[in-house]
Amino acid sequence: KAGVTQTPRYLIKTRGQQVTLSCSPISGHRSVSWYQQTPGQGLQFLFEYFSETQRNKGNFPGRFSGRQFSNSRSEMNVSTLELGDSALYLCASSLGLAGEGETQYFGPGTRLLVL
Amino acid sequence: AQSVTQLDSHVSVSEGTPVLLRCNYSSSYSPSLFWYVQHPNKGLQLLLKYTSAATLVKGINGFEAEFKKSETSFHLTKPSAHMSDAAEYFCVVSDRGTGFQKLVFGTGTRLLVSP
Repeated sequence: KAGVTQTPRYLIKTRGQQVTLSCSPISGHRSVSWYQQTPGQGLQFLFEYFSETQRNKGNFPGRFSGRQFSNSRSEMNVSTLELGDSALYLCASSLGLAGEGETQYFGPGTRLLVL
Repeated sequence: AQSVTQLDSHVSVSEGTPVLLRCNYSSSYSPSLFWYVQHPNKGLQLLLKYTSAATLVKGINGFEAEFKKSETSFHLTKPSAHMSDAAEYFCVVSDRGTGFQKLVFGTGTRLLVSP
């Protein structure tokens, strides 16, 4: 069974631009969660989607948004990029909601650099 | 809200010696607890999880963890370290206290293994 895939793997953007990251979950998984990982803040939860609905959200500004499609694939969008948005963005999929004890499977991440 | 504290940012061991990575959690509910490992430039991989079954949980690669409610701890151990164990380890707790069910990650412990 194929694992979680994320595209692109690397991105370089400039301040003020917007970016869209994509995540394809493991086949059959209905939940997709997004995380931001930085050296200073560690791993922080962004949001979780289940059956095309946002179920949970972390403490990030509205510039960070996401969506999930009927095939469970998910996209994350960041508008008006800031230097502090430079990070590794990780996507994880699970059969059910992550907070209910479901095992999450992580993708390799998308490394975003904002100049 | 639940939280998790990893007591050591770095742990250094010699190959063949025991490993102990410490984690304490704060929870108002019966938590689900996880340990994940992240090798350089790779996504996170689940080592083991506790979901209110047996208090001693066995994971992959010889790792195990014991849930101790009285001490609010979930320490990760391995009898004999291998060079390939060098990585960053994250203790994770499910958060059900705020109406949102999400995962809360610790700040990570970097395990260094010397020959």
